[in-house]
Amino acid sequence: GAVVSQHPSRVICKSGTSVKIECRSLDFQATTMFWYRQFPKKSLMLMATSNEGSKATYEQGVEKDKFLINHASLTLSTLTVTSAHPEDSSFYICSAGGRSYNEQFFGPGTRLTVL
Amino acid sequence: TQLLEQSPQFLSIQEGENLTVYCNSSSVFSSLQWYRQEPGEGPVLLVTVVTGGEVKKLKRLTFQFGDARKDSSLHITAAQPGDTGLYLCAGERFNKFYFGSGTKLNVKP
Repeated sequence: GAVVSQHPSRVICKSGTSVKIECRSLDFQATTMFWYRQFPKKSLMLMATSNEGSKATYEQGVEKDKFLINHASLTLSTLTVTSAHPEDSSFYICSAGGRSYNEQFFGPGTRLTVL
Repeated sequence: TQLLEQSPQFLSIQEGENLTVYCNSSSVFSSLQWYRQEPGEGPVLLVTVVTGGEVKKLKRLTFQFGDARKDSSLHITAAQPGDTGLYLCAGERFNKFYFGSGTKLNVKP
């Protein structure tokens, strides 16, 4: 099956620093990757759609200058949380689109804690 | 504002009971998926339904997609403690996926 990894799995940082999260499709190429955010005991919220070789498409209310997305290759997308603040603390999950339009494979998530 | 609303939000039942989780929207989706998520992990796909009125069965789990492709239900027969988890529906529109509000299921032995 399709495997998606995320790195790091957990990160703790000081307020004001930037944090980069990587999302990799290990055994397939993904033209499209998705980034989600999940608060405790809540559902996943789509933040942005990342397309290889082009700019990401952000959902309404998501600050593109705050959450920088780069999809430089067919197997790697990165999310950088810039100048992180405690309210950015959350569980960030990526998914990679499969061959079919309604297919996506999820990574294990990254727990970000901003002190 | 959640595009998809799930009900109930929380459900605590005894082993052996049946239950149904609902996923409703005013929007039409090209397809709808059901996931189960464990704490600290990514969601795991259970099923994808595409056709209005479609019914899919996965052992003790039965999934139905509404005729108008706006809603779906998940029915679990004879629930077991291993079914405990967060159940999420997700609707696909224009190649994007929007998740429901989630149903936290606890099955007590």
